[in-house]
Formats: sequence, structure tokens, C-alpha cells
Amino acid sequence: GAVVSQHPSWVICKSGTSVKIECRSLDFQATTMFWYRQFPKQSLMLMATSNEGSKATYEQGVEKDKFLINHASLTLSTLTVTSAHPEDSSFYICSARDLRTSGYNEQFFGPGTRLTVL
Amino acid sequence: SQQGEEDPQALSIQEGENATMNCSYKTSINNLQWYRQNSGRGLVHLILIRSNEREKHSGRLRVTLDTSKKSSSLLITASRAADTASYFCAPETSGSRLTFGEGTQLTVNP
Repeated sequence: GAVVSQHPSWVICKSGTSVKIECRSLDFQATTMFWYRQFPKQSLMLMATSNEGSKATYEQGVEKDKFLINHASLTLSTLTVTSAHPEDSSFYICSARDLRTSGYNEQFFGPGTRLTVL
Repeated sequence: SQQGEEDPQALSIQEGENATMNCSYKTSINNLQWYRQNSGRGLVHLILIRSNEREKHSGRLRVTLDTSKKSSSLLITASRAADTASYFCAPETSGSRLTFGEGTQLTVNP
């Protein structure tokens, strides 16, 4: 299957700082990338959908000014958590798919980034 | 929102036994996907079943889909301790969005 990487795998930061998380599709081109967050023992909650070269579509209740998403190329999307606060501590997971070619419409997930805000 | 709901929430079995997990959803779907997640890790895609398919196999996995009942099941045969993980179903509707339920935590005891 296709490989999606995330960097960093974990990050600890002070309250008020900004953190950037990268999501890369390594062996395929992703027309669409998705960003999720997951709290302990809970489900994945979709935060936003980003298409290459266009603005991200945010889910209801997700602050677009706080969670900045950039999908500048077919292999890279970034999520920046601005002015992070302890309540932003979570597991952030991205997924990627190529809607042009995949007849199965599979989403391939990254390994996740654990964010801890002190 | 279109959300897969897994049942049971937790399942504990002995190695070698079969594990069955169920999923229900609310509206029409394009397909339904099953994923597994080991603790603190990303999701691994297991199998995708299209809305016009009724059953699909992949190794020790067997997935069924009943669109009239809006339900799906995942069967893992001859379970192993390494199968211990959380399992999620994700119905896909238009717009290619997946929505996840809270998963079934499967524990396979050696």
C-alpha cells in the first residue's frame, strides 16, 4: 500500500507557541489530504479536508484561524496549530488519497503526531 | 453526520478463536472501509467493500455489507495475539469523507 509519513511524531511545546505538523505522501500523489484529531480512547474526528492548490474545507466547530492548513503540492500538506493551548493537546493524524486514479478510493493514513502543550 | 458505530465496544477472546465486530451507519454510502489502530499509532487500512458488494475476503478477514440494514461486519478468523488493536469502520459518503465511530477494542489473549 501507499505510504504516508508525518513529522514530527511527537512534540512538546509551551502554551502560546505555534506548532507545524507535516504530512507527506511518499510514493504517490495526493490530490486530497485529510486532517483528524483523536483524544485518548476516542474516535478520529475529521478537522478539515484539503485539496492541492486550494483552500481547506473545515468541519463545523473547527477554527480555521487556529488550525492553518496548507496543501501546496501533491505530496505535502501542513497543519499549523497557532497559539497552542493545553486543550489542543491531542493525537493529530493525516490521511491522503489520489482521487484521480484510485478506483478504490482508499485513504492512507500517516502514523500520527502526538502534541502535548504545557 | 454519517458515522459508523461499532459494536461491541470491547471484545476479549482467546488466541485461535474468531472475532466478529459489527458496524451500523445511517445513510447511503459509496463504500465502507475497515481500519485497525494499535495504541498510539496511525490507522492501517484493512479492507474496503463497495456498496454493490455483499462480501469480501482478505486473508483471515471477512467483511460483509448489508445495505438494506445499513450494517457491516468484520470477522477475523483464527485470531492471534498480534490482532489486539482497535478496529474502526468508516462509511464513505459523497465528497470522499470518512467518519469514524469509537471503535471496537479487541484483545486476543495468548
